[in-house]
Amino acid sequence: EVQLVESGGGLVQPGGSLRLSCSASGFTFSSYTMHWVRQAPGKGLEYVAAMTSKGGSVYYADSGKGRFTISRDNSRSTLYLQMSSLRVEDSAVYYCVKDEADDSRGYYGSGCFDSWGQGALVTVSS
Amino acid sequence: DIQMTQSPSTLSTSVGDRVTITCRASQNINSWLAWYQQKPGKAPKLLIYEASSLQTGVPSRFSGSGSGTEFTLTITSLQPEDFATYYCQHYNNGFPYTFGQGTKLEIK
Repeated sequence: EVQLVESGGGLVQPGGSLRLSCSASGFTFSSYTMHWVRQAPGKGLEYVAAMTSKGGSVYYADSGKGRFTISRDNSRSTLYLQMSSLRVEDSAVYYCVKDEADDSRGYYGSGCFDSWGQGALVTVSS
Repeated sequence: DIQMTQSPSTLSTSVGDRVTITCRASQNINSWLAWYQQKPGKAPKLLIYEASSLQTGVPSRFSGSGSGTEFTLTITSLQPEDFATYYCQHYNNGFPYTFGQGTKLEIK
């Protein structure tokens, strides 16, 4: 069974930093592009970032460019999202998400998300 | 970026009803569309991929159709556990993968 468990969320002041972690199990982590998707309170889903299976390529939505850094440690089956210069509008639940396609089907995965973590709440407030 | 527009935003329905939710893409996305269900306080769950393929374990009362720019999610005979928010998402031709704004099914 696929399991994705996020950690590292919390309350941070505007301008501060936070690192989210996502521990993965139940699948060959090193074969899948992984993503972060967020959801502000009472709002819809927003795509945040992605990293290909071996870490060769990354993508950031405009909202996080220059402030967020996605990384992964395949030896630990763990995905990370380092967030800096945080803004009030970054407050959201951040989901770690697994692509449904492994890297034999495409370098970037498919972009369809078949497993989600339970989410980590990030609150940016003074 | 491709924009995804869902309608309606909210739908008041009853158990046993047939429900249809529409999703429109701002450009042709072929059949690269997914539907997700999200219940309050929970993570989204994949229901449909490639516009019409049912994810393993999803009840057959859920179905998807469409291609190009217009897509629908249909739930036949709505069950109490189906009251949730539904999102469409395109995954055509690379980043960014955008979601519709969501459709909330409410009990009438």
